[in-house]
Amino acid sequence: DAGVIQSPRHEVTEMGQEVTLRCKPISGHDYLFWYRQTMMRGLELLIYFNNNVPIDDSGMPEDRFSAKMPNASFSTLKIQPSEPRDSAVYFCASSSNYGYTFGSGTRLTVV
Amino acid sequence: GESVGLHLPTLSVQEGDNSIINCAYSNSASDYFIWYKQESGKGPQFIIDIRSNMDKRQGQRVTVLLNKTVKHLSLQIAATQPGDSAVYFCAERKGGSEKLVFGKGTKLTVNP
Repeated sequence: DAGVIQSPRHEVTEMGQEVTLRCKPISGHDYLFWYRQTMMRGLELLIYFNNNVPIDDSGMPEDRFSAKMPNASFSTLKIQPSEPRDSAVYFCASSSNYGYTFGSGTRLTVV
Repeated sequence: GESVGLHLPTLSVQEGDNSIINCAYSNSASDYFIWYKQESGKGPQFIIDIRSNMDKRQGQRVTVLLNKTVKHLSLQIAATQPGDSAVYFCAERKGGSEKLVFGKGTKLTVNP
């Protein structure tokens, strides 16, 4: 099992540009989570899906953020337009009731 | 409201000593707890978990203790090694939800 796979590992973009982060969960896991990690706020849950359906998006900062899960093996987190305060490490995780497994993260820098 | 906090932001121990990392949680409805280890540049790595119907669980060199009376969780690492140096997070899940709420983390440094 390759674990949770995220891409890209690093992303540097200019303010105002669209950014898309990608995640492939572990096969068979029916929950998928997007987290954001910063020094100031720690690990924050942005949104999570169950069987490809968004269940709780209360952590999404604002309308500039959107997430989709078109099928069981793929999810995207999009920021449009991006702002410098969006700079953080974004993690995707998947689970099947217990044992949440995290990907290696995408380090996003918005300049 | 929901919150998970850690008593100590940093902990420094000597190699071979036992380490204890503490965590306080405030949501009495939480039914599942996990400890994660995060090394620099990596994602959180699962260490050990415990359900609320237990008060102790042991793994390889690690033990998690849960005291629901005072809403306290601890991670004990036996014979701490330099490779244990990392940031440790506790996380709680409220019953009926899949949301995992993380604490701020404790940085463990193991001195050789």
